[in-house]
Amino acid sequence: AQSVSQHNHHVILSEAASLELGCNYSYGGTVNLFWYVQYPGQHLQLLLKYFSGDPLVKGIKGFEAEFIKSKFSFNLRKPSVQWSDTAEYFCAVILTGGGNKLTFGTGTQLKVEL
Amino acid sequence: GAGVSQSPSNKVTEKGKDVELRCDPISGHTALYWYRQSLGQGLEFLIYFQGNSAPDKSGLPSDRFSAERTGGSVSTLTIQRTQQEDSAVYLCASSLRRAGDGEQFFGPGTRLTVL
Repeated sequence: AQSVSQHNHHVILSEAASLELGCNYSYGGTVNLFWYVQYPGQHLQLLLKYFSGDPLVKGIKGFEAEFIKSKFSFNLRKPSVQWSDTAEYFCAVILTGGGNKLTFGTGTQLKVEL
Repeated sequence: GAGVSQSPSNKVTEKGKDVELRCDPISGHTALYWYRQSLGQGLEFLIYFQGNSAPDKSGLPSDRFSAERTGGSVSTLTIQRTQQEDSAVYLCASSLRRAGDGEQFFGPGTRLTVL
């Protein structure tokens, strides 16, 4: 069965620290990949997405993610986090061109301390 | 323009009662999705509507759950004979194109508490 794993459930960092959140998926076909973010009290919103092409994708607020097909991974990175990055981050996967559902990971709660 | 809206924002009900949750997608979005977010469980796909096609109901957890989408716009998720394990945040999302081809825009959710 298809699944998405996020290895870190809670991460605490100091401002200016570097961030890497892991995401691995198990799927039987070609996929589109997403990272969504939910800031406290706000809706889920798209951070970045990968459909095809350059496996290193850049999103909003300085975030980027790298798709490594051989490792079935789509890790999220940011070189220097800010207090305002405190949020819950969800990795999600969907089958290309026909799948109907986003499969989400269980989320990573990131807390950035001043 | 306006985003996805959901109502009510909070719903408290007694075990065994029926509840209806409403979703207004972004105007012009042909695809609509319902998800459930339970504590520590992430988001779980429930159902997907695309235009006038038959919905993908593969994620509905039991026959107590059903959903309709009238006129290709507003959707209602109905849970009959609610159970305590139905307590969760129910999220609706819409997208301009079919699932997999584009970004899904999420509503604020309805927090359901079954006592």
